[in-house]
Amino acid sequence: AQKVTQAQTEISVVEKEDVTLDCVYETRDTTYYLFWYKQPPSGELVFLIRRNSFDEQNEISGRYSWNFQKSTSSFNFTITASQVVDSAVYFCALSEEETSGSRLTFGEGTQLTVNP
Amino acid sequence: EPEVTQTPSHQVTQMGQEVILRCVPISNHLYFYWYRQILGQKVEFLVSFYNNEISEKSEIFDDQFSVERPDGSNFTLKIRSTKLEDSAMYFCASSDGGGAYGYTFGSGTRLTVV
Repeated sequence: AQKVTQAQTEISVVEKEDVTLDCVYETRDTTYYLFWYKQPPSGELVFLIRRNSFDEQNEISGRYSWNFQKSTSSFNFTITASQVVDSAVYFCALSEEETSGSRLTFGEGTQLTVNP
Repeated sequence: EPEVTQTPSHQVTQMGQEVILRCVPISNHLYFYWYRQILGQKVEFLVSFYNNEISEKSEIFDDQFSVERPDGSNFTLKIRSTKLEDSAMYFCASSDGGGAYGYTFGSGTRLTVV
């Protein structure tokens, strides 16, 4: 069964610090997809990134970067030079190719607070 | 950019009442989903719907829940007799083909059962 673990429940940093959010996943499928979503206080789910299991290249988008390592089943998310607007709950999620309907399994989420 | 639209944004209902949460998925998407998020907790899968039938459901999705695509554009979640513990944010999502294509989420309906 698929599972996503985000061990960090809450992280608090001061603006301009770098912060890494950890995500570890479990799956028996060989083809799967990993996602990160941001949930600001307003409540909606904001899509950040999708990676497939065959693409281990790290990705950078502005201040955001993602490190995908199949060897450790991890898909970590780093925010460089954090800003107050980055304060939100961040969810890592997994979708398996072979599972009918391809549902998303979410981690518990990490509450990130960036203080001025 | 195409959106998934959910209505209402907030609904308050009395315990034991039936509620219907409405969603308009992206028009050319084939897969539809409902997820639930109890306040302060993670987002949980309820049900997926493809080709006019349920393709997968979680253990949360018991006989009190049902889904329907009544007219080819709307996708509804019905809770027959609401309980206090049904209070949560309900998200609708649609996809062209699951993880390979990604998912588009609606902005959610906050259901409060009193």
